Amino acid sequence: IAGITQAPTSQILAAGRRMTLRCTQDMRHNAMYWYRQDLGLGLRLIHYSNTAGTTGKGEVPDGYSVSRANTDDFPLTLASAVPSQTSVYFCASSALAGDNTGELFFGEGSRLTVL
Amino acid sequence: GQNIDQPTEMTATEGAIVQINCTYQTSGFNGLFWYQQHAGEAPTFLSYNVLDGLEEKGRFSSFLSRSKGYSYLLLKELQMKDSASYLCAVRDSNYQLIWGAGTKLIIKP
Repeated sequence: IAGITQAPTSQILAAGRRMTLRCTQDMRHNAMYWYRQDLGLGLRLIHYSNTAGTTGKGEVPDGYSVSRANTDDFPLTLASAVPSQTSVYFCASSALAGDNTGELFFGEGSRLTVL
Repeated sequence: GQNIDQPTEMTATEGAIVQINCTYQTSGFNGLFWYQQHAGEAPTFLSYNVLDGLEEKGRFSSFLSRSKGYSYLLLKELQMKDSASYLCAVRDSNYQLIWGAGTKLIIKP
């Protein structure tokens, strides 16, 4: 089944540790995104990539880094986790081309707790 | 700054109709989206409006007025499975999505 796969689904992490959240899509979408979702707040964009080989900063990029070596994979790395990075992280993709709406397709989310 | 406003929570009765409003102030406009998100799950796409007017899709309809910076999502014949959060998002002039905090819809029997 085509879609977006995120891993891990859930993780508890000690503050100061490095963590990489994985995201893979098989829809050949050119654009990919990482969001965090916190209670009472809208989805906030961390980083995005409009095409393989390029990345950009979103609304809340500090403490996070991404890479886009190929079309399918878009990992998110927390170099040194802090408790404020406790959140649910969603990876998403969209096809930014042609007459499509550019709707986002989301992965199932990664729940991260930093202690 | 850019802002999306929608009610935090709404309650409605099974079988009834509910309207969820969304107002926005953004730098440019390139479309408005509604997503549904069940608790503990990922958001899923419901509707897209880029021109003024009503878009109907089964029990769900979405309306847009660009001059008023206003949209609503109309849900008819409510079912218990419609209990979810409904997220309004606007694509700005940079083609980035600005998200509202979501409206939690509670359906009572």
